[in-house]
Amino acid sequence: EVQVVESGGGLVQPGGSLRLSCAASGFTVSNYAMTWVRQGPGKGLEWVSGIRGSGDTTVYADSVKGRFTISRDNSKNTLYLQMDSLRAEDTAVYYCAKAQQWLYTFDIWGQGTMVIVSS
Amino acid sequence: DIVMTQSPLSLPVTPGEPASISCRSSQSLLHNGNNFLDWYLQKPGKSPQLLIYLGSNRASGVPDRFSGSGSGTDFTLKISRVEAEDVGVYYCMQGLGRTFGQGTKLEIK
Repeated sequence: EVQVVESGGGLVQPGGSLRLSCAASGFTVSNYAMTWVRQGPGKGLEWVSGIRGSGDTTVYADSVKGRFTISRDNSKNTLYLQMDSLRAEDTAVYYCAKAQQWLYTFDIWGQGTMVIVSS
Repeated sequence: DIVMTQSPLSLPVTPGEPASISCRSSQSLLHNGNNFLDWYLQKPGKSPQLLIYLGSNRASGVPDRFSGSGSGTDFTLKISRVEAEDVGVYYCMQGLGRTFGQGTKLEIK
């Protein structure tokens, strides 16, 4: 079965760091673009970041640029999102998704992992 | 940035009746012959799921009562006969810069 499973969310203080993981099964992450999308409490969807299958290109939303880093470990078939200098407005459910193309049409989504930034 | 505007934001529908959601972009999404517009459905308490890609192509497993149309800046998602399982929030997303619409909440009357 093709699926992705996120983990690593939790409660963190403002200014702190957290690393999210997205374990893929049924496909190889290095063959596809992958992306992170988040959803604040009671809010809509916001695209966060993406990485090419080759790994040579990464893109970020302006709201997280310079603070978040997307990466991939091919040996573990896992996608990551390193989140630094976290702010209250980063509080959200973070979804990992597989992209059919660079960088649109997200066809496989995980269940999401909750990140709460609060003191 | 490309701004996506959906309407209506709330859509009460009687089962068996049709439904239509509009999505407008601030810039043309037509590029190299493709319209870079996807539709997603987020059912209550669930993750989003892909419904329509590149404006009018149904994703695998999506019932044929769902259809997407439009080109350039104006797009429409239609449900020919709404069923109870179609309840949720529908989002359009432009693929040139990856911004979502505000979402349209479909509920059963």
